[in-house]
Formats: sequence, C-alpha cells, structure tokens
Amino acid sequence: GDSVTQTEGPVTVSESESLIINCTYSATSIAYPNLFWYVRYPGEGLQLLLKVITAGQKGSSRGFEATYNKETTSFHLQKASVQESDSAVYYCALGDQGTGYQNFYFGKGTSLTVIP
Amino acid sequence: NSKVIQTPRYLVKGQGQKAKMRCIPEKGHPVVFWYQQNKNNEFKFLINFQNQEVLQQIDMTEKRFSAECPSNSPCSLEIQSSEAGDSALYLCASSPPRGYEQYFGPGTRLTVL
Repeated sequence: GDSVTQTEGPVTVSESESLIINCTYSATSIAYPNLFWYVRYPGEGLQLLLKVITAGQKGSSRGFEATYNKETTSFHLQKASVQESDSAVYYCALGDQGTGYQNFYFGKGTSLTVIP
Repeated sequence: NSKVIQTPRYLVKGQGQKAKMRCIPEKGHPVVFWYQQNKNNEFKFLINFQNQEVLQQIDMTEKRFSAECPSNSPCSLEIQSSEAGDSALYLCASSPPRGYEQYFGPGTRLTVL
C-alpha cells in the first residue's frame, strides 16, 4: 500500500549540531508522488515546511533541506546547524499529484528537542 | 501561516453523544479534507470535498460520521454517537486550486469520556 516511515523519536540534538530525520515512502498506487515536510511547533498547528513535487529536486526552507529520491524512495530532512527554536514535531507526508484532490499519507512524526 | 479556522478547539462528550466540529477553509480553497490524528500520532484520512461535493470518504466515515461543506457556511464533521475510540485530534485542511499542498487548521481535540 501507500505509506510513509520516518525516524522514530524522540531525537535530541545540541544547538549548532547537524540534523537528519529519515523518511522513506511506499507509493504502490500513486503514479506521481509529491512529498512534503510539515512541522508542529509547541502549542501551534501543523505548518508546511517544504514540498517537492518532482523527483530529483530539492526543497528548502528555514535552513532545512530535503531531496526527493525516487530510486531510494526517500525524502530525508536535513539541517546543517539546528537552533533551539527548531524544537518541534516533524512529519513527512506523501501526496498524489495524479488526482485533483490528494489525501496525504503521513508518517508518525519525529519529536525533535534542541538543547541550548 | 495557515488561515484555516477550526472550532471548537476542545470538545468533551460522553459515550453515545453527538460531537460536532466546524472548519472554515482558507478563502479561495475549493478542496477541504478531514483527518483524524490519534494518540499514537497516526493520521487517518476521513473525507474530502471539492466545493460542496464529497470526493472520497472512508468506510468508517459512512457509518457514524457525517460531514458537509455547504455553500457560504462552515464545513462540519459530526459524530452521531461518540465512542471512546473516537478520542483524537481532528484536523481540517484546505488546498488551493491546482495546488499540491494542504494547509491545516489547529484542530479540534475531542475527548470521549
């Protein structure tokens, strides 16, 4: 089926260290997958962090990057130097470009704590 | 930041009671989605609409859940007879025309006692 698997949390990183949160997907019924990272900061709603709709492309936002790798079916989230304000729960999501109304498949989230 | 509005933020019901929550999508977004996020952080798609028409819904939604998106009124999701297992965060999202992303509201946290 269609699904997303991501790094199980919680993840704790010291400020200024690098970060990678792994995300792999299975898109058996989706011909043209779209990939997204969402973030939920403490006390806030789910926000779109970045998106990539074309395989091989990279998305970036707020210092985070993710590359859509069709060969390895992965969309890992990376940041070279995290800040305390990056503490949040990160969700990888898979959508379907082929339909006009994509319902997303989400990973279970990765809770990140950045220690100052 | 998303402009999807969801009310109420918190809802507490007894088993067997009706539970109703509302969503106002971002202006100009024709597609609306409802998801359920359980205590294990798992998302479950429930139903979506394009304008006022249902596009997809899961089997669970067809039984105790009902939803609508009337013209010029908030969308709503209603559980006819709440069960303990319905306790979850209910998220509404909207998507712009020809857009690939979804914009989420803050959610309604339902607790069924």
